[in-house]
Amino acid sequence: AQKVTQAQTEISVVEKEDVTLDCVYETRDTTYYLFWYKQPPSGELVFLIRRNSFDEQNEISGRYSWNFQKSTSSFNFTITASQVVDSAVYFCALSEVDDMRFGAGTRLTVKP
Amino acid sequence: NAGVTQTPKFQVLKTGQSMTLQCAQDMNHEYMSWYRQDPGMGLRLIHYSVGAGITDQGEVPNGYNVSRSTTEDFPLRLLSAAPSQTSVYFCASGAGTYNEQFFGPGTRLTVL
Repeated sequence: AQKVTQAQTEISVVEKEDVTLDCVYETRDTTYYLFWYKQPPSGELVFLIRRNSFDEQNEISGRYSWNFQKSTSSFNFTITASQVVDSAVYFCALSEVDDMRFGAGTRLTVKP
Repeated sequence: NAGVTQTPKFQVLKTGQSMTLQCAQDMNHEYMSWYRQDPGMGLRLIHYSVGAGITDQGEVPNGYNVSRSTTEDFPLRLLSAAPSQTSVYFCASGAGTYNEQFFGPGTRLTVL
């Protein structure tokens, strides 16, 4: 079965610092999708990005950017100039056919 | 559109009791799933369904049953509640596992 590892359990930064959340995955499939979700203190799960296994282009969306490297089986997430509102738990997920698995999550705290 | 709805929001059970967590979506999604979220363990897949009449087990299916008689509804049944089933339960739906999953607000279950 596939596996997602988010080694950073908790990260604390001061506002305006850049922060990178790591995600490493394992899969035997050649076709798969990777996701990032955000869970703010209110508890809902918010979709951030989806990337398929054939598209290694990095993506930037405002202060958010994602680096997908198949060679290292990683899909890292960087927040530039972090803000207090970025405080949340961030989950990386891997989807194969019919099955989506999540990492344990990284709790990010951004202090003013 | 209501999206994905879950009831109840909170529930307290005694060991051995049974109950059904309700989940409904109005987006005509074929794929639906149930996850449980425990501290430090991320979201773990319990059961999933790729369409009406089709269900399958996820990572942690023991103690839970599901059925999918309609596209809209995907109830999760706890057969005989145990304290180890104390958790937050999320239902999700999407066009498929390769697509963005839309999550319900969650049900916080406590088993005494």
